Amino acid sequence: DAGVIQSPRHEVTEMGQEVTLRCKPISGHNSLFWYRQTMMRGLELLIYFNNNVPIDDSGMPEDRFSAKMPNASFSTLKIQPSEPRDSAVYFCASSLLVGPGTDTQYFGPGTRLTVL
Amino acid sequence: AQSVTQLGSHVSVSEGALVLLRCNYSSSVPPYLFWYVQYPNQGLQLLLKYTTGATLVKGINGFEAEFKKSETSFHLTKPSAHMSDAAEYFCAVSGNDYKLSFGAGTTVTVRA
Repeated sequence: DAGVIQSPRHEVTEMGQEVTLRCKPISGHNSLFWYRQTMMRGLELLIYFNNNVPIDDSGMPEDRFSAKMPNASFSTLKIQPSEPRDSAVYFCASSLLVGPGTDTQYFGPGTRLTVL
Repeated sequence: AQSVTQLGSHVSVSEGALVLLRCNYSSSVPPYLFWYVQYPNQGLQLLLKYTTGATLVKGINGFEAEFKKSETSFHLTKPSAHMSDAAEYFCAVSGNDYKLSFGAGTTVTVRA
């Protein structure tokens, strides 16, 4: 299995620009999670989907952030407009949810975003 | 709600020495507990997890952790450190909502 695939691996953009991060989960997994990792705040869950439906987006920092999962094999996280404080590593993870706590989340390699 | 506290942001051990990483949790429901490892510039990889049953959990790379409900702890140990164990380690907890809450992480340095 190829694992969770994220693209791009690195993104440098200027403040005000739109940024789109992409994720391909492991085939057969029914849940997908987006996390953000910063030195100040550690790992934060932004949103998660189950069967392509957003279940909990309470971690999305503000309206500038949006996430979609149009099908079981693809998800995007978009920031528009981007700000320097959005600079972080963004991880996508997927799992096969069969019951609380019994699932394992498999993480992608992350996208390192720098907003100048 | 669930949360974890990792004691010590940085641990330095000699090669061959015991590795002990401390994690205490808070949970309003029976917790599910996890340890993940992150190598530089990589994503997180599951080391081990506790769900129910045996309180001593064995994971990959020689790591193990013991769930102690009375102490609300889930400390991670490895009897003999190897240079390849240098990484950042995260403790995490979830309840019935599938959401993982991570600790702040502990960076392990292994001295030759």
